[in-house]
Amino acid sequence: GQNIDQPTEMTATEGAIVQINCTYQTSGFNGLFWYQQHAGEAPTFLSYNVLDGLEEKGRFSSFLSRSKGYSYLLLKELQMKDSASYLCAVLDSNYQLIWGAGTKLIIKP
Amino acid sequence: GAVVSQHPSWVICKSGTSVKIECRSLDFQATTMFWYRQFPKQSLMLMATSNEGSKATYEQGVEKDKFLINHASLTLSTLTVTSAHPEDSSFYICSARSGTSGEEKETQYFGPGTRLLVL
Repeated sequence: GQNIDQPTEMTATEGAIVQINCTYQTSGFNGLFWYQQHAGEAPTFLSYNVLDGLEEKGRFSSFLSRSKGYSYLLLKELQMKDSASYLCAVLDSNYQLIWGAGTKLIIKP
Repeated sequence: GAVVSQHPSWVICKSGTSVKIECRSLDFQATTMFWYRQFPKQSLMLMATSNEGSKATYEQGVEKDKFLINHASLTLSTLTVTSAHPEDSSFYICSARSGTSGEEKETQYFGPGTRLLVL
């Protein structure tokens, strides 16, 4: 079966750095997405990785290792507005997007 | 770029009525649109995938006669919840994919969602 694992909840302090991990087992791989979803709102696109390595976009970076079936989202200089759920999703061999359950990130002052 | 709108944002209706939700890609042509449902504190559940001009592909367990999807143009898809019941109350979210090239090809951009409450 297809499976995506990410922690259910994480807590971090304002101004700090947090890393949200995602491991996946899917039938094929055509890329990995990270989305941010604030409570009561729809997801917004953060990043897309299809090759190994680190992609940096401002305070957010996403890393991929295809051989390990592993990705992480790194958030730097955390702000209160970063409190949200972060969804990991993998595009499988049929170009179907397989969604993780999401990681709820709580930022404390 | 890549803006998706959804209308209405809120619907309250009586049991037994039908509700239509519109999803529009405002600044790009969406070859494929997706409809999701999300219950409180749960993950996104894909309901169906629709390609312009063809019948939608429904996920297992989703009744196609109850959730009618029409993708009439490259910028508009509609979801009609027929004979809605209280258990259909949920957050319905559409997304659109341009399917042209590069990263944009596979990225889904989400509409703001529609909250449906069936009394």
